[in-house]
Amino acid sequence: EIVLTQSPGTLSLSPGQRVILSCRASQSLSSSQLAWYQQKPGQSPRLLFYGASNRATGIPDRFGGSGSGTDFTLTISRLEPEDSAVYYCQQYGSSPLTFGGGTKVQIK
Amino acid sequence: QLQLQESGPGLVKPSETLSLSCSVSGGSISSSGYYWGWIRQSPGKGLEWIGSVYYSGITYYRPSLKSRVTISADISKNQLSLKLTSMTAADTAVYYCVRVLRFFEWLSCFDSWGQGTPVTVSS
Repeated sequence: EIVLTQSPGTLSLSPGQRVILSCRASQSLSSSQLAWYQQKPGQSPRLLFYGASNRATGIPDRFGGSGSGTDFTLTISRLEPEDSAVYYCQQYGSSPLTFGGGTKVQIK
Repeated sequence: QLQLQESGPGLVKPSETLSLSCSVSGGSISSSGYYWGWIRQSPGKGLEWIGSVYYSGITYYRPSLKSRVTISADISKNQLSLKLTSMTAADTAVYYCVRVLRFFEWLSCFDSWGQGTPVTVSS
């Protein structure tokens, strides 16, 4: 089973700041088979990126995804108040499909 | 717009079987471009993929749950179902119905989620 480790666990930042979230896989993911999700309180997760860097429909371009192999990054270029959420990565390189433990982004 | 709506009992007794349904509207589960599946979320285990199904009936399950889980697709009703036997407190979670993008067949990510239905296992 591929384990995904996300860091940091929690971030507290001000609007307008740049945010960098990390997701590290225990095994290399061929074809960058990694997705990112955003989950706001009381809501279901929403797909942000697939294939590590392909933005899902309707996702603002202040969000960016990158990485390959075992190291992946989600970047928010200018933090907005509505970006307060927990962000999860998910791998689909092998079974079982697994998720990281999440990074909580708080707005100061 | 695609909508997925889960339904089922919110409370299940230990050792009993959980049965959940997911009604899909705004799209057909017989579309060749997608699989469909179930994911659960609990404070202790986080997000956990349970399994996925293709409209033809092909299924893929989480190995640790494979002996207890059955996922099926009813094309006539445009519904999915989940059955999980021998429920324990460890199965307490919010259960989500999801649509699976068909990238590497069922090995993929989830582009649409239901609102989730909470399930508690308790006597």
